[in-house]
Amino acid sequence: DIVMTQTPLSLSVTPGQPASISCKSSQSLLQSDGKTYLYWYMQKPGQSPQLLIYEVSNRFSGVPDRVSGSGSGTDFTLTISRVETDDVGVYYCMQSIQLPVTFGGGTKVEIK
Amino acid sequence: QVQLVQSGTEVKKPGASVKVSCKTSGYIFKNYAISWVRQAPGQGLEWMGWTSGYSSHTQYAKKFQGRLTMTTDTSTSTASMELRSLRSDDTAVYYCARDLSGSYFFGFWFDPWGQGTLVTVSS
Repeated sequence: DIVMTQTPLSLSVTPGQPASISCKSSQSLLQSDGKTYLYWYMQKPGQSPQLLIYEVSNRFSGVPDRVSGSGSGTDFTLTISRVETDDVGVYYCMQSIQLPVTFGGGTKVEIK
Repeated sequence: QVQLVQSGTEVKKPGASVKVSCKTSGYIFKNYAISWVRQAPGQGLEWMGWTSGYSSHTQYAKKFQGRLTMTTDTSTSTASMELRSLRSDDTAVYYCARDLSGSYFFGFWFDPWGQGTLVTVSS
């Protein structure tokens, strides 16, 4: 199985400041079709996960442009340019280039 | 709008089975597959498997093969997941999620997710 490793485990951020989350995969997520199958989800407290980013850097519908994804191969980053209170939750990266689909362990973002 | 509404909380004894349903609305059920993901208390996300919206094709994580069955009912736009031989470490919130990929083998990605169903396994 592909192992997804996220760092840090938790992040405490002052509103208005940036935040970055790293996700590393144990194998390249670049498929022969040219797509990279790396996704980011956010789970707000007490809620179901919601999709933020698909295929590394594409913002899903309704996701604010202060949230962005980058990376390639095995190294990926989710960046929130200016953290707001609504960003509190746990963020997960996910790969689906190979079954089983696997998730990172999660990064908890809190507000200072 | 697209909605996935899951069945309610379940409490089961070890060795029993549980069936969780996921009723969908707001889209053409046959056009999208459904995946199931679980989350143990205070833990991360674990993908269990995938089922096509219009055929009997399924993909299960090896960990669950032999005790997991996913089905769909196109007449009611409902997907179901049955897990047998329950153990205490199956205690988790179980989510269904619509798969946007259109693929059978890889590239799955999920939106939206159901509200989750808590399954507690305890003697």
